[in-house]
Amino acid sequence: QLQLQESGPGLVKPSETLSLICTVSGDSISGSSYYWGWIRQPPGKGLEWIGIINYSGSAFYNPSLKSRVTISVDTSRNHFSLKLKSVTAADTAVYYCARLGYFSGSGNHPNWFDPWGQGTLVSVSS
Amino acid sequence: DIVMTQTPLSSPVTLGQPASISCRSSQSLVHSDGNTYLSWLQQRPGQPPRLLIYKISKRFSGVPDRFSGSGAGTDFTLKISRVEAEDVGVYFCMQATQFITFGQGTRLEIK
Repeated sequence: QLQLQESGPGLVKPSETLSLICTVSGDSISGSSYYWGWIRQPPGKGLEWIGIINYSGSAFYNPSLKSRVTISVDTSRNHFSLKLKSVTAADTAVYYCARLGYFSGSGNHPNWFDPWGQGTLVSVSS
Repeated sequence: DIVMTQTPLSSPVTLGQPASISCRSSQSLVHSDGNTYLSWLQQRPGQPPRLLIYKISKRFSGVPDRFSGSGAGTDFTLKISRVEAEDVGVYFCMQATQFITFGQGTRLEIK
């Protein structure tokens, strides 16, 4: 069964860099043609897509965050990572990782997120 | 950017009664490959989101058949035929035709 788990510091200081890892178990990132993504949710608010990456390192970012975001993949460790630089209080959120999948033969365009990790709360505060 | 707008933002429903949530996109979600990449997710309290519906109307594995999706172009609907207590939560539409954007969410609560 495919599972994803986020990990990283729960508290980051303003202007510093937020770093998270999503560890994938139950499947190999390198053996998959899917994408792997980061989504965040400020407390009590909606979902915001951050970016996605595939096993070869091809990444796409939300244009509103692109200047501050880097997503990378480490297939040897079967995980992918998020770095968000120059954080402010507005970056306080639960950060989720998820697989962006598709069903072959039905348009090979990744279009649904499943499964999701449990999420990790990252607070930005001094 | 494609903006997704959901209505209503809150929906009080009686157990056993139907519920309906609308989602409108700021531009057509028809992809160049002819498919429309509109999905629906459910987020129960304290839980991560869960995929319910993809490509407008296809139920994901394990999703009860009381959930159904419909629509085309820019207007989409999620319907629950008979609301159960476990359906309480927030529902989001999501488009993946051009990058990815989510609707702001609709809170389903029991009257």
